[in-house]
Amino acid sequence: DGGITQSPKYLFRKEGQNVTLSCEQNLNHDAMYWYRQDPGQGLRLIYYSQIVNDFQKGDIAEGYSVSREKKESFPLTVTSAQKNPTAFYLCASRASGADFWTLHFGNGTRLTVT
Amino acid sequence: GEDVEQSLFLSVREGDSSVINCTYTDSSSTYLYWYKQEPGAGLQLLTYIFSNMDMKQDQRLTVLLNKKDKHLSLRIADTQTGDSAIYFCAETPDSSASKIIFGSGTRLSIRP
Repeated sequence: DGGITQSPKYLFRKEGQNVTLSCEQNLNHDAMYWYRQDPGQGLRLIYYSQIVNDFQKGDIAEGYSVSREKKESFPLTVTSAQKNPTAFYLCASRASGADFWTLHFGNGTRLTVT
Repeated sequence: GEDVEQSLFLSVREGDSSVINCTYTDSSSTYLYWYKQEPGAGLQLLTYIFSNMDMKQDQRLTVLLNKKDKHLSLRIADTQTGDSAIYFCAETPDSSASKIIFGSGTRLSIRP
């Protein structure tokens, strides 16, 4: 079955450490996205990539970094510069040329930093 | 800038209809969506409506769009316990847009 896999589901880190969240898709989608979800704040866009080897900052990119070396993979690194990293992180993908926005989401990674 | 607003909570009795409301500010919104998020999971597209439509019905779901007031609603008929989730309203000006704007989500809880 095609889909998006995020791993791990739960992640715990000490303050000051960088951590990388994995996102893999086998849907052959060109575009991939990272969102952050906090209670009562909806989804906020961190980074997105519309093609391999290219990505753009979203609304809250500070303290995060990404890479897009392969079409299938879009890992997100939460750096020690991110002031409030504890959150639920969602990865999504979208087929290019789609008639409308059908985002396919992974099941998320809950990151807790203490 | 663009903004999408929803109330945070809604509680309904099992078997009643649920109506979740959303307002948006971008007058160029062409595509409007409802996504559903079950606990601990990602979002799934529930339904959508184009701005040239006033209503769309899909089984128990009815979407109403008032473009003049920039108001979108989702009605769930005969609400069941499995409908408990967070419902997100979202909009985008066109299919080539690089971003989709989400509301804050409405948590729907069902009373027996």
